[in-house]
Amino acid sequence: AQSVTQPDIHITVSEGASLELRCNYSYGATPYLFWYVQSPGQGLQLLLKYFSGDTLVQGIKGFEAEFKRSQSSFNLRKPSVHWSDAAEYFCAVGGMAAGNKLTFGGGTRVLVKP
Amino acid sequence: DAEITQSPRHKITETGRQVTLACHQTWNHNNMFWYRQDLGHGLRLIHYSYGVHDTNKGEVSDGYSVSRSNTEDLPLTLESAASSQTSVYFCASSVGGGSSYNEQFFGPGTRLTVL
Repeated sequence: AQSVTQPDIHITVSEGASLELRCNYSYGATPYLFWYVQSPGQGLQLLLKYFSGDTLVQGIKGFEAEFKRSQSSFNLRKPSVHWSDAAEYFCAVGGMAAGNKLTFGGGTRVLVKP
Repeated sequence: DAEITQSPRHKITETGRQVTLACHQTWNHNNMFWYRQDLGHGLRLIHYSYGVHDTNKGEVSDGYSVSRSNTEDLPLTLESAASSQTSVYFCASSVGGGSSYNEQFFGPGTRLTVL
């Protein structure tokens, strides 16, 4: 069965500092990996996705993620955080073997200090 | 523009009542999904459909049902609402069919409170 683990429930970061959110997955076939962001009271917005090819993926809002197959990881990074990045972030895995279904991690809530 | 909408956005109901949450998409997507979001659990799949008249159980389907009578709509019914079903519910859709994976697009969510 597929699963996603986001080890950090909360992260506090100062504005302007770098941010890295961890994501580890378990999937028995070729994984498709996603990062979504949810601002307070809002729906989910796709930040970036990895299907194949270059393992470093660029997304919206200055985010990037690196797929490391050997570590079963897909960590999200941003070099310099803005106050508007305060939100909850979800990593998800899916694929054809899972019938196009997504499995989400528990989420990481990011707080940004001024 | 094509979109996916959910209604109502907020709902308060009482234990034991039947509740139906609506999901409507205008992308003509074959695949539709219902998730619930709870603190610490992320989003968990309730039911999903790959096309008209097709429905499947997800990870947390007990107490919920869906039906797919057309491409655009996948209503979620709570047969007898329980306090444990207090949650935020998200609907999603994707193209479906073919041999490639398709990205899911999410609705704005419905916050349901069962008293």
